[in-house]
Amino acid sequence: KNEVEQSPQNLTAQEGEFITINCSYSVGISALHWLQQHPGGGIVSLFMLSSGKKKHGRLIATINIQEKHSSLHITASHPRDSAVYICAVLSGGGADGLTFGKGTHLIIQP
Amino acid sequence: EAGVAQSPRYKIIEKRQSVAFWCNPISGHATLYWYQQILGQGPKLLIQFQNNGVVDDSQLPKDRFSAERLKGVDSTLKIQPAKLEDSAVYLCASSSNRDGYTFGSGTRLTVV
Repeated sequence: KNEVEQSPQNLTAQEGEFITINCSYSVGISALHWLQQHPGGGIVSLFMLSSGKKKHGRLIATINIQEKHSSLHITASHPRDSAVYICAVLSGGGADGLTFGKGTHLIIQP
Repeated sequence: EAGVAQSPRYKIIEKRQSVAFWCNPISGHATLYWYQQILGQGPKLLIQFQNNGVVDDSQLPKDRFSAERLKGVDSTLKIQPAKLEDSAVYLCASSSNRDGYTFGSGTRLTVV
C-alpha cells in the first residue's frame, strides 16, 4: 500500500509570494494527481503527471520518479488560490485507485 | 461538458436515521468511485465500480453502508443507520483512460 506524505500541512503566505507544496510517496506509481479542494468540498483536478513537468497558468507541477517526489508551485499567489491542495497517486497499474495525501491547507492573505 | 453531478449538496440528519446520496458520472466513464472525506483528512475510497460491477469495497462498512450502480451509469450510496462519525463529505468521481479523474462537488453530511 502506497503511503503519501504532503508538506507543509498548513501554509499561510502573503499575496504575490511563490508557493511550494511537496508530496512524497513510498511505492512506484503510474501517475500522480494534484487536486484543489475549496471550502464546501468540491475537488478540481489540476494536473496529472507521470514524468517531468507541467504548467498551467501560474501553476507548475513537477515530478521526480526516481526520488518518488512531486512539487506543486504557485507563482504570484493570489487570495483566490486559498484552498486545500491534495496529492494523490495511482499505483498498481490503476486497478487500486487513488491514494490520497492529507492535503495542504493554503491561505493567501491580501 | 457536464461534470460529475451529485445530490444533495448538504444533508443534516439525526443519528440512527437513514440517508442516500446520488451520483451521475461523466457520460462514457466506466469507472465510478465513492470517497468519504472526514474533516482534515484526505479522501478515503469506500467503493469502486467498473460498469455495474464492484471492483473494490474493502473499506466500505458493510454493516451500515451500501452502494449500487444499476445499469452501469448512476450510483447511489446509502447509510442505514447513520452514526455521528459518519459526518463527512462524500465525494463521487468517475474516470476513463482518456479523461482521467473528474470529481463531483460532494455531499456534506452532518449527523447530529
